[in-house]
Parts: sequence; C-alpha cells; structure tokens
Amino acid sequence: KAGVTQTPRYLIKTRGQQVTLSCSPISGHRSVSWYQQTPGQGLQFLFEYFSETQRNKGNFPGRFSGRQFSNSRSEMNVSTLELGDSALYLCASVPLGGIVDTQYFGPGTRLTVL
Amino acid sequence: AQSVTQLDSQVPVFEEVPVELRCNYSSSVSVYLFWYVQYPNQGLQLLLKYLSGSTLVKGINGFEAEFNKSQTSFHLRKPSVHISDTAEYFCAVSGDSGYSTLTFGKGTMLLVSP
Repeated sequence: KAGVTQTPRYLIKTRGQQVTLSCSPISGHRSVSWYQQTPGQGLQFLFEYFSETQRNKGNFPGRFSGRQFSNSRSEMNVSTLELGDSALYLCASVPLGGIVDTQYFGPGTRLTVL
Repeated sequence: AQSVTQLDSQVPVFEEVPVELRCNYSSSVSVYLFWYVQYPNQGLQLLLKYLSGSTLVKGINGFEAEFNKSQTSFHLRKPSVHISDTAEYFCAVSGDSGYSTLTFGKGTMLLVSP
C-alpha cells in the first residue's frame, strides 16, 4: 500500500497570506489527523477528521481550519499567516481513529512564513 | 489532561553501546503509549507501542520499551546502537480524548558517534 502523501512538501508564503495544505491518507483509512511541529512547541495536535466530520480539535486559533472529502483526503487551511505559523505540518492517517489505532505519518509540509 | 515528559533533550553516545531514552507520562485515564522516530526531513515512524498485556514491548530496529505503571514511565532501550540510529525520538500517549489523538513529549535527539 502506498503511504501517506502530503503536498506540497515545501511552501514559502508572506505574512497575511493564506495557505492550503493537502493530505492523502493510506487507502482504506478513514481518519486523518493534523499536527504542527515547531522547535519551540514541539508536536501539537491541530484537528482530526473522520468521515468528513471534524471529530476532535486542538487548542489553535480559528485561523486554522480543515476539511475532509468523501475519499478521505484532507486539506488544512491557514488564513492570515503569521511568522509563528512557520512549521512542519504533519498529517497522520488512521484506519478508524480508535483509541488504540496506530497513526501513520506523512513526510510533512514545511511552511515558511516571511 | 495528559502530558508526556522526555527528560533528556539530547543523548550523545558512541556506537555499539547501550542506550536508554527516558519518558514519563501523566494521565487521569488509562493510557496507550507509543515511541516514534523521526529522521531528518522525514515524518514520524512508529517504533513500538504499548496497549495492554506484557509490560515489555519489542519494536523495530532492535528497540524495546518497558511500561511501568507505578513509576508512570515508558523508557526506550537498545542494547547496542548504530550510527544509523541517529534521529529524534518522540514518546507519545493517547487515551484522553477517546480517539487516537496523540500527546507528544518534546523529543530526545539521539546522536551516535563512531
């Protein structure tokens, strides 16, 4: 099976712009989670989608949003970019998102905000 | 709320010696514990996980971890490390949200020298 794919791998934006990142989960997986990784804060959970519904959300401002499509692909959007949004954004694919499920991570999208 | 503490931000060792990376967790509910590894410019790869049963868990690449409920610890060990083990290691816990959402520690950078 193909692994989790994330596009683009690298992105450079300027403050105030918005950005959309894409994640394609492993075939058959229905849950997608997003995490932000920064040197200062480490890995932080953004949100989780299951069957096109946001099921769980981390402590991030409303500028961060996401959605999931019927084929389980997911996108996350960040509006009005700030310098502090520079990070590696990781997507994780989970079969059903149950409490004992393993999360399979993609390679990430590295976002740089100038 | 649950939390994870990785006591060492960096562990420098020489090749072919044993290593232990420490992880302590805090949670008010039953937890499930994971160790992930991240190589440069890559996503996270699961090394091993503890769900229930035997407290000694064996993972990939010769790693193992021991769950100790009384000490709320889940330390990662390898009897003999190689240069290729140089990477960042993350301890994580799930269980708080009812879903597979992970709470990560800050990570431990394992630096193996010849």
